[in-house]
Amino acid sequence: EDQVTQSPEALRLQEGESSSLNCSYTVSGLRGLFWYRQDPGKGPEFLFTLYSAGEEKEKERLKATLTKKESFLHITAPKPEDSATYLCAVQVLGRGAGNMLTFGGGTRLMVKP
Amino acid sequence: GAGVSQSPRYKVAKRGQDVALRCDPISGHVSLFWYQQALGQGPEFLTYFQNEAQLDKSGLPSDRFFAERPEGSVSTLKIQRTQQEDSAVYLCASSLQTKETQYFGPGTRLLVL
Repeated sequence: EDQVTQSPEALRLQEGESSSLNCSYTVSGLRGLFWYRQDPGKGPEFLFTLYSAGEEKEKERLKATLTKKESFLHITAPKPEDSATYLCAVQVLGRGAGNMLTFGGGTRLMVKP
Repeated sequence: GAGVSQSPRYKVAKRGQDVALRCDPISGHVSLFWYQQALGQGPEFLTYFQNEAQLDKSGLPSDRFFAERPEGSVSTLKIQRTQQEDSAVYLCASSLQTKETQYFGPGTRLLVL
């Protein structure tokens, strides 16, 4: 069974304090790993897609990396506006006609000024 | 351009009532997905359409849940005889083609009393 586990469940940082969020996955065959940001009362907002181990992508203060077992979302010098829930999701090869996303439980990030 | 829109944004229903939730995908997007998100959890897949064809409904929790996309654009998720456990946020997502990045709407928050 495909599994996606995110840790920690919640993370409190001071502004400027860099850290990493973890997404561990167990799937039969990975097509792609997705990171989304979700603000309260809103839908998930797309951040990155990673397809193969060793791949990295960056956007402003965020950097996503991928290995064969997990992905990390590194946040460098975070600001209060980075506070949100970060969701990790996988698409599995051959699973379902449309390759739906299987999500982890999310990490709630709070950045205090 | 316009993103995915959903209506209503909030819905309160009495147990046993039928509800209909609407999704307007991004114009030209072939694939459309419905997800259910319980409080504090990641979204879970419900069903998938490619144009007007419902190709995967493996995530629908019971036969009280029904979805349609008759003209390959707007989709409606209908829940009959609502139960308290149906209370959740219902998210719609669309992608240009199958397997490509999914873009989410703001969701409909359903509360069944």
